[in-house]
Amino acid sequence: AQTVTQSQPEMSVQEAETVTLSCTYDTSESDYYLFWYKQPPSRQMILVIRQEAYKQQNATENRFSVNFQKAAKSFSLKISDSQLGDAAMYFCAYRDTNAGKSTFGDGTTLTVKP
Amino acid sequence: GAGVSQSPRYKVAKRGQDVALRCDPISGHVSLFWYQQALGQGPEFLTYFQNEAQLDKSGLPSDRFFAERPEGSVSTLKIQRTQQEDSAVYLCASSLLSGQGLTYNEQFFGPGTRLTVL
Repeated sequence: AQTVTQSQPEMSVQEAETVTLSCTYDTSESDYYLFWYKQPPSRQMILVIRQEAYKQQNATENRFSVNFQKAAKSFSLKISDSQLGDAAMYFCAYRDTNAGKSTFGDGTTLTVKP
Repeated sequence: GAGVSQSPRYKVAKRGQDVALRCDPISGHVSLFWYQQALGQGPEFLTYFQNEAQLDKSGLPSDRFFAERPEGSVSTLKIQRTQQEDSAVYLCASSLLSGQGLTYNEQFFGPGTRLTVL
């Protein structure tokens, strides 16, 4: 079974600075997706960024980028120029291409200090 | 619709009561998922529908949990004889079509139903 581990329960960053959230996963599959989701206190889960395992190039979405290391099964999220609105719980998630369901880590609570 | 909606947003039940949680997916979305999110943890998969067919129910924790999607649109998650350990947020997500090696389709989450069992 696939597992996703987020080893940082809490992180904090100063506004305008950069922060990196860590995620490792375990799978025997070669083709899959990895995701970072943001969950503000309102609880609506929002997709931040997606990475296809077959792509070597790291995904980027504006201030959000990932460092995908397939051999190491590592998938970290970098947030640049942090903003107060980035404060939320962030979940790393894994999904087989042949399965619809996702496996989530336990999340990292990000605090942004003004 | 504008997004995935769930009702009620909050539900308090006494231990032993039955509850029904509703999910309205985005119109036209074929795939529908239910997840359970305990306090301080990530969502855990419960069950998955493709249209009205329940393709995977491996995550349902006991036979007290039952889900249906009779017309391939709205889904209901029913919990019978609720227990305190059932207290959690129940999330619903939908997508155009997911799995089976198909082209990626984003899954959109609803706001969740927070269930508290006293």
